[in-house]
Amino acid sequence: DAGVTQSPTHLIKTRGQQVTLRCSPKSGHDTVSWYQQALGQGPQFIFQYYEEEERQRGNFPDRFSGHQFPNYSSELNVNALLLGDSALYLCASSWGGNSPLHFGNGTRLTVT
Amino acid sequence: KQEVTQIPAALSVPEGENLVLNCSFTDSAIYNLQWFRQDPGKGLTSLLLIQSSQREQTSGRLNASLDKSSGRSTLYIAASQPGDSATYLCAVTTNDMRFGAGTRLTVKP
Repeated sequence: DAGVTQSPTHLIKTRGQQVTLRCSPKSGHDTVSWYQQALGQGPQFIFQYYEEEERQRGNFPDRFSGHQFPNYSSELNVNALLLGDSALYLCASSWGGNSPLHFGNGTRLTVT
Repeated sequence: KQEVTQIPAALSVPEGENLVLNCSFTDSAIYNLQWFRQDPGKGLTSLLLIQSSQREQTSGRLNASLDKSSGRSTLYIAASQPGDSATYLCAVTTNDMRFGAGTRLTVKP
């Protein structure tokens, strides 16, 4: 039973570029949440997708957008990258909104 | 706005000690509280989930308690081992999930 998988594991981009990160949820899960974790900090909630709709959103600018596909997998897109977007991006899946979250190992994004 | 604080930020103990990690939150209207472990450069592993109606959960050497009225949770680790060395994060769910900054635990052999 595969857990949450994220790709790529590492990524280096230049300021102003765009990036797409991908997440496949744990089998049986229908809800995907994305988090940004800066070094030495706890994860910050970006948004959550359920039934292909953005259900909740944290305090992130519109440069951060996402999508959920019919198979429950999800993408996180970040436009016009800034140096401050460098972080570990974590995807978590769950069944519904009140069950334990299962996290992937994240994508380490470095913006130069 | 929910604020989650974890104390201490870092902790170093000798192997075999029992220890307590603390988590506090400002809004008591939570659905649940979850404790996670994070190894360097890795994702988060769920340790314990306490629903708002529960007072504690236990798993092996771990015990987590929840006092919603005072906005506090503790994670008790018994007989600590070097393999317990990691960062421990607590997270509370209201409309979304908010994390503390974590406690970095080092258990020395």
